[in-house]
Amino acid sequence: EVQLVDSGGGLVQPGRSLRLSCTTSGFTFRIYAMSWVRQAPGRGLEWVGFITSKTYGETTQYAASVKGRFTISRDDSKSIAYLQMDSLKTEDTAMYYCTRDLSPGGDYYYFDYWGQGTLVTVSS
Amino acid sequence: EIVLTQSPGTLSLSPGERATLSCRASQSVTSRYLAWYQQRPGQPPRLLIYGASSRATGTPDRFSGSGSETDFTLTISRLEPDDFAVYYCQQYDGSPYTFGQGTRLEI
Repeated sequence: EVQLVDSGGGLVQPGRSLRLSCTTSGFTFRIYAMSWVRQAPGRGLEWVGFITSKTYGETTQYAASVKGRFTISRDDSKSIAYLQMDSLKTEDTAMYYCTRDLSPGGDYYYFDYWGQGTLVTVSS
Repeated sequence: EIVLTQSPGTLSLSPGERATLSCRASQSVTSRYLAWYQQRPGQPPRLLIYGASSRATGTPDRFSGSGSETDFTLTISRLEPDDFAVYYCQQYDGSPYTFGQGTRLEI
């Protein structure tokens, strides 16, 4: 059974950092791209960024709203994806979901499995 | 960036009725790279449809997707109680991937 478990959320002050983890099982993690998607309270979904597999160079891309502040990485030996969030702003407050990505070929990703989410609250 | 606009914002129907949800893109979504997700309260989204019309594993056949270029539709043929949720479309025709604002399907 495919499982994604998001963790690491919590309350953090503006300007500080936080690292989220996505611990996976039930599939061959190393061959999949992984994304992070967030959802502010009572709002819609916003793609945050993705990381491709090692085969495709562990390439990353990010939404403009987080580029330069957030970094996605992966540890294939542990089947874990990470989201490092620096210089956090109040508008980063959201539930953060990791996703397993599928593609018909190339960097065209949709999301077939989702973690349960971890809540990040940025407030002083 | 491709902007997706979903309509209506809220759709009020009864079990057994047919639901038609719309997703319009600000520019053409090539190769029909459009997906639909269902989100129930307190749960993560669940993939229903990809490639505009292909059902994901486990998606009941009462769900169907159609459309191309800028106009896409999700149809639920006969609503069941579990179908009342929020539905999002997503385009994956290149980064940044974007979602519509959602359609709330209520009883």
